[in-house]
Amino acid sequence: GNSVTQMEGPVTLSEEAFLTINCTYTATGYPSLFWYVQYPGEGLQLLLKATKADDKGSNKGFEATYRKETTSFHLEKGSVQVSDSAVYFCALSRGSTLGRLYFGRGTQLTVWP
Amino acid sequence: NAGVTQTPKFQVLKTGQSMTLQCAQDMNHNSMYWYRQDPGMGLRLIYYSASEGTTDKGEVPNGYNVSRLNKREFSLRLESAAPSQTSVYFCASSQGQGGRETQYFGPGTRLLVL
Repeated sequence: GNSVTQMEGPVTLSEEAFLTINCTYTATGYPSLFWYVQYPGEGLQLLLKATKADDKGSNKGFEATYRKETTSFHLEKGSVQVSDSAVYFCALSRGSTLGRLYFGRGTQLTVWP
Repeated sequence: NAGVTQTPKFQVLKTGQSMTLQCAQDMNHNSMYWYRQDPGMGLRLIYYSASEGTTDKGEVPNGYNVSRLNKREFSLRLESAAPSQTSVYFCASSQGQGGRETQYFGPGTRLLVL
């Protein structure tokens, strides 16, 4: 079946620290991979995505590379800010058909000044 | 351009009561979705509508019904609410139904069933 496993939180960092949130997936075929972010009291919004192996998605200083050999899509940022505090969700979608998203459980990130 | 809007923002129901959650999008998207978010569970798909006039079950459809009223609107109905339906409900839309499409989410409806 299709599933996403992401590292348990919460993650607490100081401003300017390096961030990694691990995400691995199980899927048949060739899924697309996504990172969504949820700020307090808001809905989810797309942070970045990659639709084929070895693609790198990037946005707002965040990056993630689609690694088919390790079935991973880890989220990284070199220097986090207080404004990055949010819940981050890794998700996958089957490439060819219905765009249903399979979500991980989410990782709460808190950044202290 | 409001994107995806949901009403109400909060609702408290008693067990057995019914209610309808409303969702509308102004992006001319073809596909719409309803998810529920529970602590530690991520989001799970309840129902989706690939295009106007079609609806299909997702992962957790029991206890819910949906209506794709027109291209803009997709409502979720709880006929007889149960405490297990306490959750945050998100509506989303996408241009197409393909797996590469980005989904756009509304702000959510927090529902408490007593």
